[in-house]
Amino acid sequence: QKEVEQDPGPLSVPEGAIVSLNCTYSNSAFQYFMWYRQYSRKGPELLMYTYSSGNKEDGRFTAQVDKSSKYISLFIRDSQPSDSATYLCAMLVTGDYKLSFGAGTTVTVRA
Amino acid sequence: EPEVTQTPSHQVTQMGQEVILRCVPISNHLYFYWYRQILGQKVEFLVSFYNNEISEKSEIFDDQFSVERPDGSNFTLKIRSTKLEDSAMYFCARGPSGANEQFFGPGTRLTVL
Repeated sequence: QKEVEQDPGPLSVPEGAIVSLNCTYSNSAFQYFMWYRQYSRKGPELLMYTYSSGNKEDGRFTAQVDKSSKYISLFIRDSQPSDSATYLCAMLVTGDYKLSFGAGTTVTVRA
Repeated sequence: EPEVTQTPSHQVTQMGQEVILRCVPISNHLYFYWYRQILGQKVEFLVSFYNNEISEKSEIFDDQFSVERPDGSNFTLKIRSTKLEDSAMYFCARGPSGANEQFFGPGTRLTVL
């Protein structure tokens, strides 16, 4: 079983729709959960960072962590064409340094 | 917070040659990381570097790889004898004092011919 699983998509939505992304993981020691946005051939850009379970909201972005199900989600409200990118989930064990990434989901928001 | 800058943006080299990839922090960070991403694949951790020492490395980071911070500023990744399979994007990342959030640079695209 892969440590972090993420459906690569692609996902295509109309402008204004809610984008729903998720990852599952197998390592129960993960405590820190991040979402990155990556444009083609660019570096990952940190969008959201959460610790343990719960929700976090930042503007149009909401991150959710359900540690009991080993499942994390990212929601993008009122999606824009500029949100078209690959979204990567990443996780970290407390006291560790190595981020474990998902494969990334490619999202296209159609104008 | 600003990330780091990386040079060069693209490096082409012949198999067996040594390459040095550079990461330039914007301010005086303590935590640095190198990751790589082979085209179409996951971002993979290579090594973490704290206070001028390697703190963790992956199984990918074998004897062909080394890191250093030679002048207290630039942070470098050296690949001693490149292989075709080293072709990838290499990303430098830096962490804040808490070391949990990691902020990535724009990457260096390494092409080994």
